[in-house]
Amino acid sequence: QVQLQESGPGLVKPSQTLSLTCSVSGGSISSGDYFWSWIRQPPGKGLEWIGYIYYSGSTYYNLSLKSRLTMSVGTSKNQFSLKLTSVTAADTAVYYCARAHGALGGAFDIWGQGTMVTVSS
Amino acid sequence: SYELTQPPSVSVSPGQTARFTCSGDALPKQYAYWYQQKPGQAPVLVIYKDSERPSGIPERFSGSSSGTTVTLTISGVQAEDEADYYCQSVDSSGSYGVFGGGTKLTVL
Repeated sequence: QVQLQESGPGLVKPSQTLSLTCSVSGGSISSGDYFWSWIRQPPGKGLEWIGYIYYSGSTYYNLSLKSRLTMSVGTSKNQFSLKLTSVTAADTAVYYCARAHGALGGAFDIWGQGTMVTVSS
Repeated sequence: SYELTQPPSVSVSPGQTARFTCSGDALPKQYAYWYQQKPGQAPVLVIYKDSERPSGIPERFSGSSSGTTVTLTISGVQAEDEADYYCQSVDSSGSYGVFGGGTKLTVL
């Protein structure tokens, strides 16, 4: 049973960099069947897709975040990461990591529990 | 940027049928997916590839597609189905994900 777990600071100061890691257990991140993704949800609002990364390192980013966003993958540690620079209060959200399953057409079939990140001084 | 449009709310009585629509220009050529999210929980996939149901999802959940609109239907709504429902797809290039704004289901 594949499981995803987000980790990282719960509080980030404005203008600093938000860094999160998603650890994958019960399966290999290097399987070619999956893309790995970050999705966020501001308090009381809807879901926003942040980006995809493939095990090879290929990335696809939300164009509205692209200038501040870097995603990376660590196959030896079976994890992938997100860095978002120059954060503001608008980046306050629950951040989810999720698996996009190729056999399901790219649907997000497995999600982490989510981690709340607050941007505040 | 590409957008998916969902109505903000749907209300039905227990046992009735709830329908959720999602509109987007690329939906005729790209698959849609539906997620259920209850308060304080991560979303759960309920429909993939427009109309396929993952294992473990009750048969009362079904999906369909017609042109630029996809529809999630819950037949015989139960109190436990009260949640937010999000559609999701990708843009016409297939490279960028997008979620609809979500529809809140209230079971009266």
